[in-house]
Amino acid sequence: DAMVIQNPRYQVTQFGKPVTLSCSQTLNHNVMYWYQQKSSQAPKLLFHYYDKDFNNEADTPDNFQSRRPNTSFCFLDIRSPGLGDAAMYLCATSRVLADNEQFFGPGTRLTVL
Amino acid sequence: AQKITQTQPGMFVQEKEAVTLDCTYDTSDPSYGLFWYKQPSSGEMIFLIYQGSYDQQNATEGRYSLNFQKARKSANLVISASQLGDSAMYFCAMRSNSGNTPLVFGKGTRLSVIA
Repeated sequence: DAMVIQNPRYQVTQFGKPVTLSCSQTLNHNVMYWYQQKSSQAPKLLFHYYDKDFNNEADTPDNFQSRRPNTSFCFLDIRSPGLGDAAMYLCATSRVLADNEQFFGPGTRLTVL
Repeated sequence: AQKITQTQPGMFVQEKEAVTLDCTYDTSDPSYGLFWYKQPSSGEMIFLIYQGSYDQQNATEGRYSLNFQKARKSANLVISASQLGDSAMYFCAMRSNSGNTPLVFGKGTRLSVIA
């Protein structure tokens, strides 16, 4: 089945230790998104890729970076995780930016010790 | 700027009853889309239903319907015949159709279905 896959589902890292979260999709969608969702809050868009074009939200901290080496994969790099970065990180895709539906992955829950 | 307001942090409903989850929005854009997503405890966001601002009829998808009142800027989700599996967080979201604008989510409503 076509889907959005996120690995790992649970990630534990230490304060200040770089961590990478991965997302892959079999939908062949042009757009991939990364959201941060803290406990009991709404998802917040960090950035998105339209093909290879990277679009950063204005309030996304510099600590967060992303890579999209090909259509199928997109990575979220947190260079120096702080305790405040503990959250669920959701990857989503859409065919185009104006699509009526975004397909979400199951998320990666990040714990920072 | 767009804003979504969900005023119900939590709701309870008896199994097999209908429930309405409230959502109001604010935007100055004439063309936009409204969405509802379900997020079970497992974490994934599941798309439920979409309503375009120029759609004349309320959207329906199975047991889900969207009560769209454009003048009031409300887009309430109605779930009919609630099931235990409907227990989850529900997020209302919107996106402007002008430019490359992201989805803006409300804070969500936690629905608990009681047997």
